[in-house]
Amino acid sequence: DGGITQSPKYLFRKEGQNVTLSCEQNLNHDAMYWYRQDPGQGLRLIYYSQIVNDFQKGDIAEGYSVSREKKESFPLTVTSAQKNPTAFYLCASSRQGLGAEAFFGQGTRLTVV
Amino acid sequence: AQSVTQLGSHVSVSEGALVLLRCNYSSSVPPYLFWYVQYPNQGLQLLLKYTTGATLVKGINGFEAEFKKSETSFHLTKPSAHMSDAAEYFCAVSDRSDSWGKLQFGAGTQVVVTP
Repeated sequence: DGGITQSPKYLFRKEGQNVTLSCEQNLNHDAMYWYRQDPGQGLRLIYYSQIVNDFQKGDIAEGYSVSREKKESFPLTVTSAQKNPTAFYLCASSRQGLGAEAFFGQGTRLTVV
Repeated sequence: AQSVTQLGSHVSVSEGALVLLRCNYSSSVPPYLFWYVQYPNQGLQLLLKYTTGATLVKGINGFEAEFKKSETSFHLTKPSAHMSDAAEYFCAVSDRSDSWGKLQFGAGTQVVVTP
């Protein structure tokens, strides 16, 4: 079945450590996105990529980094510079096209301890 | 910049009653409009979307939404709530000039269904 796989589902990190969240899709979508979800704030865009080896900052990119070496993969690194990293992170993908909907993974819940 | 407003962060409905979730957008040019649902600790699932044509859009699980340009609204309804409708609902928009469809989300509305 086609879809988006995020791993791990739960992640615990000590303060000061970098951590990488995985996102893989087999939908053959060109665009991929990372969103952060906090209670009462909806989803906020961190980074997005429309083609391999290219990506753009979203609304809240500070303290995060990404790479897009393959069409299928778009990992997100939460760095130690991110001041409040505890959140639910969602990866999504979409085809190119006006009005195209995004398809979401199941999310990764990151907790800093 | 585009913004999306969902009135009411929490809505409580009785089983069998009408579900009405409100969404308004800010842009002068109507965007593409979406409703997504999220169950606890899961990703988002598309309920329905409006791109063009008929302004009343039917989606999955008995939901529908009506685009009203004069009111800059895209409210979501379901005639009769089921217990399984308890979830968080997000309204989202994307600009008509954006062929890559970046989404701007509202803050979400948590729906509780009581027996």
